[in-house]
Amino acid sequence: GAVVSQHPSRVICKSGTSVKIECRSLDFQATTMFWYRQFPKKSLMLMATSNEGSKATYEQGVEKDKFLINHASLTLSTLTVTSAHPEDSSFYICSARDGTSGSYEQYFGPGTRLTVT
Amino acid sequence: DAKTTQPNSMESNEEEPVHLPCNHSTISGTDYIHWYRQLPSQGPEYVIHGLTSNVNNRMASLAIAEDRKSSTLILHRATLRDAAVYYCILRGSSNTGKLIFGQGTTLQVKP
Repeated sequence: GAVVSQHPSRVICKSGTSVKIECRSLDFQATTMFWYRQFPKKSLMLMATSNEGSKATYEQGVEKDKFLINHASLTLSTLTVTSAHPEDSSFYICSARDGTSGSYEQYFGPGTRLTVT
Repeated sequence: DAKTTQPNSMESNEEEPVHLPCNHSTISGTDYIHWYRQLPSQGPEYVIHGLTSNVNNRMASLAIAEDRKSSTLILHRATLRDAAVYYCILRGSSNTGKLIFGQGTTLQVKP
């Protein structure tokens, strides 16, 4: 099946700094990518939908100025957590949809564990 | 978004079939039923999806009730590697294709 990678797999940063997480589709073109966050023992929460070449669509309650999303190419979307605080510590997961296949199947990345100290 | 209801947890013995139920009584006529699973500390993995007819693939089978208000994911022979959280999700026919995850069912497989 299609492969989606995330980098880094885990990151520790200090409070007040910004962290960028990359999501790449390795063998297909992803016109749409999605960003989720997941707290321990909880389900995934959709944060935003990222469309190539246009602004991301954020879910209600997600601050767009805090979670900057850029989808500049058909294989790369980035999530930047700005001015991170300990409460932003979470498991961030991206997914991508193959826009050329007509399928709505989403392929998920392995996740990035962010710890803010 | 139409909601789904799943049991919080289920147990199974290794090499026995597992039937994971999902209720979606408010499903609309154009909603697809998707199943994903998530192993610990990993991203979710696609399992199967369907609209009206039962579906089979190498991983599982999906049985959809005639009124579409419920469905059942069937693992024919559970293995220890099938221990995961299984999510039943309804996806609307809009072009975004976004998935809204519920709480899922944690499946424990006992040797």
